[in-house]
Amino acid sequence: DGGITQSPKYLFRKEGQNVTLSCEQNLNHDAMYWYRQDPGQGLRLIYYSQIVNDFQKGDIAEGYSVSREKKESFPLTVTSAQKNPTAFYLCASWGPGQSSYEQYFGPGTRLTVT
Amino acid sequence: DAKTTQPPSMDCAEGRAANLPCNHSTISGNEYVYWYRQIHSQGPQYIIHGLKNNETNEMASLIITEDRKSSTLILPHATLRDTAVYYCIVRVPRYNQGGKLIFGQGTELSVKP
Repeated sequence: DGGITQSPKYLFRKEGQNVTLSCEQNLNHDAMYWYRQDPGQGLRLIYYSQIVNDFQKGDIAEGYSVSREKKESFPLTVTSAQKNPTAFYLCASWGPGQSSYEQYFGPGTRLTVT
Repeated sequence: DAKTTQPPSMDCAEGRAANLPCNHSTISGNEYVYWYRQIHSQGPQYIIHGLKNNETNEMASLIITEDRKSSTLILPHATLRDTAVYYCIVRVPRYNQGGKLIFGQGTELSVKP
């Protein structure tokens, strides 16, 4: 089945540690995205990449970094500079759907930093 | 991309139609209306989208007003599994240029027995 895989589903880290969230897609989509969601809030864009080896900052990129060395992979690193890293992180891709272009989401990773 | 306005919450009785409104008064001529939903602690799921004609698929119907300034998502026979947050988004579906989807706070739909 085609789709987006995020791992792990739950992640726990100590404050001051960097942590990398995995995102893999087998949809052959060029564009990929990382969103952050806080309780009771909508999604906020962290970074996006429209093609391999290229990415742009979203609305809340501070304290995060990404890489896009392969089309199918778009890992997100939450650095120790991110002041409030505890959140639900969603990876997505954009590409052809049943009748038009659609955004497909992974199942998310819930990060807890203590 | 145009902003959208949705009510924060709605209730619906199981088996009845759920009608979720969305205002997008600044929508431009080439922007589509997309609807997604997010069940608790999962990634958002695509439901339906349209430009100006009403659309229907196996999940829902989308009614867009003639002036395109508002739309309504209709779940014809709501079930308990339809309890979720529903997001209305307007954007241009450019080829291979997803840009960014602007997700607001959506409407939290509670389907009650």
